[in-house]
Amino acid sequence: GESVGLHLPTLSVQEGDNSIINCAYSNSASDYFIWYKQESGKGPQFIIDIRSNMDKRQGQRVTVLLNKTVKHLSLQIAATQPGDSAVYFCAEILGYNQGGKLIFGQGTELSVKP
Amino acid sequence: DSGVTQTPKHLITATGQRVTLRCSPRSGDLSVYWYQQSLDQGLQFLIQYYNGEERAKGNILERFSAQQFPDLHSELNLSSLELGDSALYFCASSSYSGGAPTQYFGPGTRLTVL
Repeated sequence: GESVGLHLPTLSVQEGDNSIINCAYSNSASDYFIWYKQESGKGPQFIIDIRSNMDKRQGQRVTVLLNKTVKHLSLQIAATQPGDSAVYFCAEILGYNQGGKLIFGQGTELSVKP
Repeated sequence: DSGVTQTPKHLITATGQRVTLRCSPRSGDLSVYWYQQSLDQGLQFLIQYYNGEERAKGNILERFSAQQFPDLHSELNLSSLELGDSALYFCASSSYSGGAPTQYFGPGTRLTVL
């Protein structure tokens, strides 16, 4: 079936450390993947995306890795800061060029300890 | 600030009632998406409109309907409300017709059904 799930519901890291948030997806037809950050009381905020024809993409302090062989997506945050504390969602898009729907995972709560 | 606006911010109503949630997309964006976020279901895609026309449908109940107007703002109508409809409702917008990667989310409307 169609589902996107996260391996860990919570993640606690020390300030300055690197964080890795993982996500498994089930639909091999998905052609676009996005990571969102959601702070308490706010809407999801776009972080980074990656197309299925790529295996890595870097942004500012963030890197997304895509392993299509095992249907795995990860978000790496370098030098994690207290402001990074939030819930992180991965999402997949089916049929990017055909108006496909966005499927979100359940989310991982990242807690950064000072 | 994503540029997507939603009103009202909070809505409290009774079972059986009908409510309308409003969304204004970012300037220039033609696509509007609606999502429901509840504690037990996570973020669920409801429906997408592109330039006034329905483009994709997700887990939207028959009691719910949406439309996008010529000025591109969108409304989500929820009728015969049940306790289980209590949730956060988010609107997102993007500039592309497909399941575009960069969807920008509004602050959400928190609906409480008593």
